[in-house]
Amino acid sequence: AQTIHQWPVAEIKAVGSPLSLGCTIKGKSSPNLYWYWQATGGTLQQLFYSITVGQVESVVQLNLSASRPKDDQFILSTEKLLLSHSGFYLCAWSLHPTNTGQLYFGEGSKLTVL
Amino acid sequence: QQQVRQSPQSLTVWEGGTTVLTCSYEDSTFNYFPWYQQFPGEGPALLISILSVSDKKEDGRFTTFFNKREKKLSLHIIDSQPGDSATYFCAASGGSALGRLHFGAGTQLIVIP
Repeated sequence: AQTIHQWPVAEIKAVGSPLSLGCTIKGKSSPNLYWYWQATGGTLQQLFYSITVGQVESVVQLNLSASRPKDDQFILSTEKLLLSHSGFYLCAWSLHPTNTGQLYFGEGSKLTVL
Repeated sequence: QQQVRQSPQSLTVWEGGTTVLTCSYEDSTFNYFPWYQQFPGEGPALLISILSVSDKKEDGRFTTFFNKREKKLSLHIIDSQPGDSATYFCAASGGSALGRLHFGAGTQLIVIP
């Protein structure tokens, strides 16, 4: 069975500090990987997607970057956090190449920027 | 431009009642419409989905209806239970290999015992 794990579960960071969030998928080879951001009580906004190792596409510009160093790993990072970065970050995967848009989400990482 | 509109923003129903959530969309190329259920502090989980070739899909107490002509879809929950209290998101996709899902704003459902 496929599993998706995100880390850390929660972070409290200062404005201007760096950030790194991670995601690992087990049990599925070469999945599409995604990062989503969700404001408290808000909808899901896609940030990045990746269909293969080393290749990441940005969907929106939020002063964040993403990398896929391994087939099963997706990293979200920034060198300087903004207050607006607070929220819930969700990693997700979908089947590749056959894909009907069905996403499987991780448990999320809650980020509070002070 | 908001691709998927969802209503209501919040909804309170009594236990045993029927819940109806609705969504509309703009892009006529969308052909896959999932509904996700999200509990506080958790990631969303797929609840039920429908393809544009169908007009109804049922899974236990959950039924989703699709109206291609009107570009609308709905989620019906019969015999609503307190455990159904969650936020529900509709979404739409054009079925591209990139799996780009456009999410609605969500409906917060509270089921009162």
